[in-house]
Amino acid sequence: QSALTQPASVSGSPGQSITISCTGTSSDVGGYDHVSWTQQHPGKAPKLIIFNVSNRPSGVSNRFSGSKSANTASLTISGLQAEDEADYYCGSYTSFNSVIFGGGTKLTVL
Amino acid sequence: EVQLVESGGGLVQPGGSLRLSCAASGFPFENYWMHWVRQAPGKGLMWVSRINTDGSNTGYADSVRGRFTISRDNAKNTLYLQMNSLRAEDTAVYYCVREWWASSAFDYWGQGTLVTVSS
Repeated sequence: QSALTQPASVSGSPGQSITISCTGTSSDVGGYDHVSWTQQHPGKAPKLIIFNVSNRPSGVSNRFSGSKSANTASLTISGLQAEDEADYYCGSYTSFNSVIFGGGTKLTVL
Repeated sequence: EVQLVESGGGLVQPGGSLRLSCAASGFPFENYWMHWVRQAPGKGLMWVSRINTDGSNTGYADSVRGRFTISRDNAKNTLYLQMNSLRAEDTAVYYCVREWWASSAFDYWGQGTLVTVSS
């Protein structure tokens, strides 16, 4: 099963908003509301920022929001801050009773 | 405080075996599904395996099925990954992760243990 499709990189200036897309199929993203987003800073362990498409774990800034339409999920970061510069991965449950990740998107804060 | 601490990584020759362990603390380990996720050097995340609360249900990525075995000891609050017939492409940091309540999302991650398969 191929990885979910994410842009390799996105960039934005402080204060701006950016959106990262995550495209799958009806067997994963489109078929279930078990889509998550994970943030990873260089050399650090990943951190969950969105689960079940649009829910934030306790302690995660409300500048992070998630949504889904058909086979594509999206992560929006508003009020971009320097500390948001990181790699972002989407993930989804699949009809094969497994979990699949996207290839990752490198966010650069200009 | 939730803690997941992996151990058992190292250098192994192709075809060899390793057993990873993950010591869990700070939460009722027996109530949570657990997973292993790996990340090859400079690459993205890849889901490896999962196990349900009592160990009766397991799942594997196609690339490791038949070679890797996930298990758990709830009395010891420990998750395991037995890795056999290792290949160069299994080289990665292996993370022990906790699943957040049937969401297929991982709310706690260990710091990872590096497995290097090389001759």
